[in-house]
This record gives sequence, structure tokens and C-alpha cells, in this order.
Amino acid sequence: GENVEQHPSTLSVQEGDSAVIKCTYSDSASNYFPWYKQELGKGPQLIIDIRSNVGEKKDQRIAVTLNKTAKHFSLHITETQPEDSAVYFCARQGSGSARQLTFGSGTQLTVLP
Amino acid sequence: GAGVSQSPSNKVTEKGKDVELRCDPISGHTALYWYRQSLGQGLEFLIYFQGNSAPDKSGLPSDRFSAERTGGSVSTLTIQRTQQEDSAVYLCASSLVFGFSGELFFGEGSRLTVL
Repeated sequence: GENVEQHPSTLSVQEGDSAVIKCTYSDSASNYFPWYKQELGKGPQLIIDIRSNVGEKKDQRIAVTLNKTAKHFSLHITETQPEDSAVYFCARQGSGSARQLTFGSGTQLTVLP
Repeated sequence: GAGVSQSPSNKVTEKGKDVELRCDPISGHTALYWYRQSLGQGLEFLIYFQGNSAPDKSGLPSDRFSAERTGGSVSTLTIQRTQQEDSAVYLCASSLVFGFSGELFFGEGSRLTVL
């Protein structure tokens, strides 16, 4: 199917440490994998994305890796800061008539000062 | 404003009543989406509109849910005979076009509480 499994559901890290969130998908036709950050009381906002022809992408302290063979992708945040505390959602987009984004269940990241 | 606008931000209703939630997308965006976020859950796809094409209603959970988009702009999500399990945050998003790896811009959501 088109489900996306996301782990962990909650994650607490010390400020300055790294955080990793992992997602797996089942539809091999998935070709686009964005990550969204949702702060309290706000709508989700795109922070980084990766397409299926790329294995890794980095933007300052945030990186995403994609393993198409294993059908999993991960978000890496280095040197975490308190403002990184939020809910993070992974998502995937299929092809053809099923191109709407399917989201994971979210990870509540808390960065402890 | 320049972002996606949703109203009301909060709605408390009694079981069995009908509710309407409104979404005003970013000007020029042809695609509009509705998602539902239940407490502690992910984003559940409900429906999307792309230009003048027929909407994809495949995510609507029951026939009590309907949505329309007038003039290719403002959208209204209607829930008839609300039930307690309908309580959630309803998020609207828009994008330039549908399905081409484009960014979705979300509104802040309408929080619905059914008593």
C-alpha cells in the first residue's frame, strides 16, 4: 500500500546532540520524499525534501538520506537547538493517479537545554 | 495575507450539528488539499482539488463529509451530523500545481471539537 511508518514517535535529545528520525514506505513507485516541521499551533512547513534519483541532501544542520532499495529515508538534525523542538512529519508522493502526499504519524522532538 | 487562511480557527459544536470550515489558498495556487490531524496522529488525507478537474475524494471518511471549491479559489469543507470522532484539527494546504513534487503551504488549521 501507500503507508509510511515513522519512528520514533517521541525523541528527547540534549542541546547540541544529533537527532535522527526514520521512515519506511512500501510503494516502490514513490519518488518524492519531503519532511515537514510543525510548531505548536501552526501548520506544517517544508524543511527539506529529496527525490528518488538522489541518495542524500544537506541544508546546513539538516540532512536527509534515502535508501530506495530498502525503502527507507531518514532525517538527521545536527547540533540541535531548542528551536528545533517541534513535531516532524515525513511524507512520500507516488506516481500516476496517487500523487497526493501520504504522511507519517509524526515525531515529537524535544531539545533539552 | 500571503499565506493560506483558514476559518474559524476554533469551532465547538454539539453532536449532530453541521459545520463548515473555510480555506482561502495562496493566490495563483491551482491545487488545494484538506488533511485531518487527530490528537497525536499524523496527517490524514481527505480530498484535493486541481484546477477545474474533478476532485479526488478518495480520503473522505464517510458520506457526511463533503467539500467544494468555488471559482478555483476558496474551498469549504462541510461535515454533516457531526460525531465525537470528527474532533480534530482540519488543515488546508495549497500548492502551485498538483503532484509535481511541489511544496505544500499549510494554513494554521481549524480545530473542531464535537461535544
